[in-house]
Amino acid sequence: EVQLVESGGGLVQPGGSLRLSCEASGFTFSTYAMSWVRRAPGKGLEWVSEISASGGSTYSSDSVKGRFTISRDNSENTLYLQMNSLRAEDTAVYYCAKVGATFDYWGQGTLVTVSS
Amino acid sequence: DIVMTQSPDSLAVSLGERATFNCKSSQSVLYRSTNKNSLAWFQQKPGQPPKLLIYWASTRESGVPDRFSGSGSGTDFTLTISSLQAEDVAVYYCQQYYTTPYTFGQGTKLEIK
Repeated sequence: EVQLVESGGGLVQPGGSLRLSCEASGFTFSTYAMSWVRRAPGKGLEWVSEISASGGSTYSSDSVKGRFTISRDNSENTLYLQMNSLRAEDTAVYYCAKVGATFDYWGQGTLVTVSS
Repeated sequence: DIVMTQSPDSLAVSLGERATFNCKSSQSVLYRSTNKNSLAWFQQKPGQPPKLLIYWASTRESGVPDRFSGSGSGTDFTLTISSLQAEDVAVYYCQQYYTTPYTFGQGTKLEIK
């Protein structure tokens, strides 16, 4: 059974940093691209970033480019999202998702709140 | 960026009746080389992560009831629930994965009439 478990969310001040983690199990992690998707309170879904299976290629939305960095450790079956220079508008539930044709499995999400 | 526009924003349907969701993309998401549309539908219930229902515009994900079906090509797509069940109350999103940035529609909220 595919399982994705996010952690690392919490309350952070504007301008601060957080690192999210997503532990994967139940599939061969190193053979799939992975993504982060977020949902801000009262809003819809927004794709944040994606990393290829090897980790050699990454893609990010313009709203986080230069501030967020996606990475992975295939030996630990773990996906990461390093978030720097956080803004109030980054407040959201962050989901990690396995990429088949598209996002076929999702974690339960971790809440990031950016507030002073 | 490809803009995804869903209609209506909300929908109220009686149990056992048909529910129809529409999604329009600002440019085609059809790969001519494979004749596949890079369009997916997700269902999200309160407090839960999104669940993939349909991909390649019309392929049902494993385990999804056959009352859910997807259709359309190019820029216009439809998700249909043939006979609404109480557990189908949720927000439904379309999403294009033709190119980055991957984009979602704003969502359609489904309620029971």
